[in-house]
Amino acid sequence: GIQVEQSPPDLILQEGANSTLRCNFSDSVNNLQWFHQNPWGQLINLFYIPSGTKQNGRLSATTVATERYSLLYISSSQTTDSGVYFCAFYYGNNRLAFGKGNQVVVIP
Amino acid sequence: DAGITQSPRHKVTETGTPVTLRCHQTENHRYMYWYRQDPGHGLRLIHYSYGVKDTDKGEVSDGYSVSRSKTEDFLLTLESATSSQTSVYFCAIRPGQGEKLFFGSGTQLSVL
Repeated sequence: GIQVEQSPPDLILQEGANSTLRCNFSDSVNNLQWFHQNPWGQLINLFYIPSGTKQNGRLSATTVATERYSLLYISSSQTTDSGVYFCAFYYGNNRLAFGKGNQVVVIP
Repeated sequence: DAGITQSPRHKVTETGTPVTLRCHQTENHRYMYWYRQDPGHGLRLIHYSYGVKDTDKGEVSDGYSVSRSKTEDFLLTLESATSSQTSVYFCAIRPGQGEKLFFGSGTQLSVL
């Protein structure tokens, strides 16, 4: 199957700092998405980003499908950005697979 | 919110008992999914549905069955719960191919 690697696995940020999370995959994937799971367990879809770049407030994402990676940028981090960030992609018939996640802690 | 309700939110049960979790959507979306989330394993697909009475297995389907008799409801059944099925279960929906996936709030299941 397709291997997905997210890096770094754990990240501690000072409030206000910027960071980049990376998702590498071993083969071509479809319809890559980024999710945030907050400390209360809620999963929020941040981006649907099969290719190119999108921005939403302080967050932006870039997928370079030909080079098999996607990046999530967090600028001016806030404590509410804490949680786990997952990249996910479709494979086979409508199955969505997830990476293991990036654990982010933003300290005030 | 994407109009997804999971019930119950929490459940404690004993080994060997049957358990049914319900996912209800108000969006009339075609695709529905059940995932489980465990420490060290992330989110793993159990079963999914691509229409009424159309379902397929995911990567961890053993010990689980599903049913979808109407568009809005997707049921996950553990026929005989085991302690290894203690987990957080998430339902997700999406309107069509190539579109965003939206999650429910999850069900915390403990099998003692």
